[in-house]
Amino acid sequence: EDQVTQSPEALRLQEGESSSLNCSYTVSGLRGLFWYRQDPGKGPEFLFTLYSAGEEKEKERLKATLTKKESFLHITAPKPEDSATYLCAVQARGNNDMRFGAGTRLTVKP
Amino acid sequence: ETGVTQSPTHLIKTRGQQVTLRCSSQSGHNTVSWYQQALGQGPQFIFQYYREEENGRGNFPPRFSGLQFPNYSSELNVNALELDDSALYLCASSLGGTAGGEKLFFGSGTQLSVL
Repeated sequence: EDQVTQSPEALRLQEGESSSLNCSYTVSGLRGLFWYRQDPGKGPEFLFTLYSAGEEKEKERLKATLTKKESFLHITAPKPEDSATYLCAVQARGNNDMRFGAGTRLTVKP
Repeated sequence: ETGVTQSPTHLIKTRGQQVTLRCSSQSGHNTVSWYQQALGQGPQFIFQYYREEENGRGNFPPRFSGLQFPNYSSELNVNALELDDSALYLCASSLGGTAGGEKLFFGSGTQLSVL
């Protein structure tokens, strides 16, 4: 069965303190790995899709990387507005659904 | 271009009742997926509709059912509500159906409370 495990559950950073979020996954043939950001009371907002090991994507202070077993979301010099829950999801070949992890709740203090 | 809209935003029901949640997909998208998100958890896949046909279903009982209309809007119906059905229900639209590997555009969800 496809599984996604995210760590840590919660992360508190000072503004400017860089860190990484981890997403470990097992899937029977990866179609895509997705990162979403979710603010309280809102639906998830798409950040990145990664398709194969070695791939990297960047957007502002965020950089996502992918290996055959895990993905990292690196946050460089975060700002308070980066505070949110970050969700990782995988989609397997032949499936139409996404399997989500429980998320990492990030808080960035000024 | 309009985004994904869901109604109502909040709903309170009692155990045993039935509920209908509604979703308008993003302009140009022909695929709608429904997810259930319990507090502190990631979204769980309920089912997907592509061009008015169910196109995949997660591990949810038959009392969870849905429809997709010719304009690609969708409904989620839940019969015989249970306390554990209390959650945020998310609708997501995409363009592709069986193509897969495409990002989902989520609405803000309907917060359902079952008392």
